[in-house]
Amino acid sequence: DTAVSQTPKYLVTQMGNDKSIKCEQNLGHDTMYWYKQDSKKFLKIMFSYNNKELIINETVPNRFSPKSPDKAHLNLHINSLELGDSAVYFCASSPTGSQPQHFGDGTRLSIL
Amino acid sequence: GNSVTQMEGPVTLSEEAFLTINCTYTATGYPSLFWYVQYPGEGLQLLLKATKADDKGSNKGFEATYRKETTSFHLEKGSVQVSDSAVYFCALYTARQLTFGSGTQLTVLP
Repeated sequence: DTAVSQTPKYLVTQMGNDKSIKCEQNLGHDTMYWYKQDSKKFLKIMFSYNNKELIINETVPNRFSPKSPDKAHLNLHINSLELGDSAVYFCASSPTGSQPQHFGDGTRLSIL
Repeated sequence: GNSVTQMEGPVTLSEEAFLTINCTYTATGYPSLFWYVQYPGEGLQLLLKATKADDKGSNKGFEATYRKETTSFHLEKGSVQVSDSAVYFCALYTARQLTFGSGTQLTVLP
């Protein structure tokens, strides 16, 4: 009964490939997020969706595209992967924006 | 813009030592403040929160008080355990966005 689940947990791929990371939450929350955590543990918000509507779109390359088919899912698609995309990507959700966020366990993306 | 400054780590303590991790913030308006903890290989978990000035958040022996006059939210614990070894993140929420500090790695030795 995992609250926020991400797949895959590990993703190793070549530069230039396209990949997707899936996220699902079973908490009934309205808001979902994607974060990137670099090798120094620094966390940065990438996107935020509220009821399938994009509300935060930080300055990330347009190779990154979020997709929210319904309010329980927020997937992240990345085109033309680059070495600098190597990081841990976290999905999170919250009932509303001001409530504490629940995080998934992360997807460790490694670009060869 | 909004920002959170945390004391740099890593911090290494012996079991039962007193812990303080400093956190100060810059924000417009009246943010909510949080401490999150990240254990190895896991996502972040909420440790405690405070939503207005002078509120004290507490959980699992950890405490932090929202100090508006000093724009601070320092994390404290009176007696740390080996199981507290993790990365601790201070964060603020305002303007529909959660902003994190850079994280502080804590290692507790037996």
